[in-house]
Amino acid sequence: DAEITQSPRHKITETGRQVTLACHQTWNHNNMFWYRQDLGHGLRLIHYSYGVHDTNKGEVSDGYSVSRSNTEDLPLTLESAASSQTSVYFCASSESRGLAGEETQYFGPGTRLLVL
Amino acid sequence: SQQGEEDPQALSIQEGENATMNCSYKTSINNLQWYRQNSGRGLVHLILIRSNEREKHSGRLRVTLDTSKKSSSLLITASRAADTASYFCATATGGGNKLTFGTGTQLKVEL
Repeated sequence: DAEITQSPRHKITETGRQVTLACHQTWNHNNMFWYRQDLGHGLRLIHYSYGVHDTNKGEVSDGYSVSRSNTEDLPLTLESAASSQTSVYFCASSESRGLAGEETQYFGPGTRLLVL
Repeated sequence: SQQGEEDPQALSIQEGENATMNCSYKTSINNLQWYRQNSGRGLVHLILIRSNEREKHSGRLRVTLDTSKKSSSLLITASRAADTASYFCATATGGGNKLTFGTGTQLKVEL
């Protein structure tokens, strides 16, 4: 069965370190998204991609970067981790069907990141 | 800023009762979706309602949309303990495939 996976599931790092969170989907979806979830804020969009070599900034992109070298993967990099980036990170993917915004997003299980 | 705001933030009911959650948003939308999140898990899509639709049903779920008031409601009928989860509305605006999520309603269904 197709799925979307994230690794690691839990990560503890120190302030200033570079961290990369992996996201891999086997749905063959063109669209991929990274969100962070914090209490009181719901899910906020960090970066998204509509296809290979396409990346776009979301609502809270400062301090994060992504790259899309193939359809299956969209790794999220924290260039220099800060305590404010302690959060739960979710990756999602959706199929491009030509109907703006009607695509269902499929979510990964999340990565809990603690920045000390 | 969040496009959608859910109300109430938390809701506790008895099994068998109906649960109603509301979502308000700020700008014109193409459609509105509802997602569910069990504790410690990713979100799962429940239902989508288009901007030209007023009501939609799926099993025990009923969603309404009032574009004049920029609001939507999700009704879960005959709730079960397994419905305990957080529920989020998400709106799609303009072009592209982005969704903007609300802050969620935590539903607890007690036996």
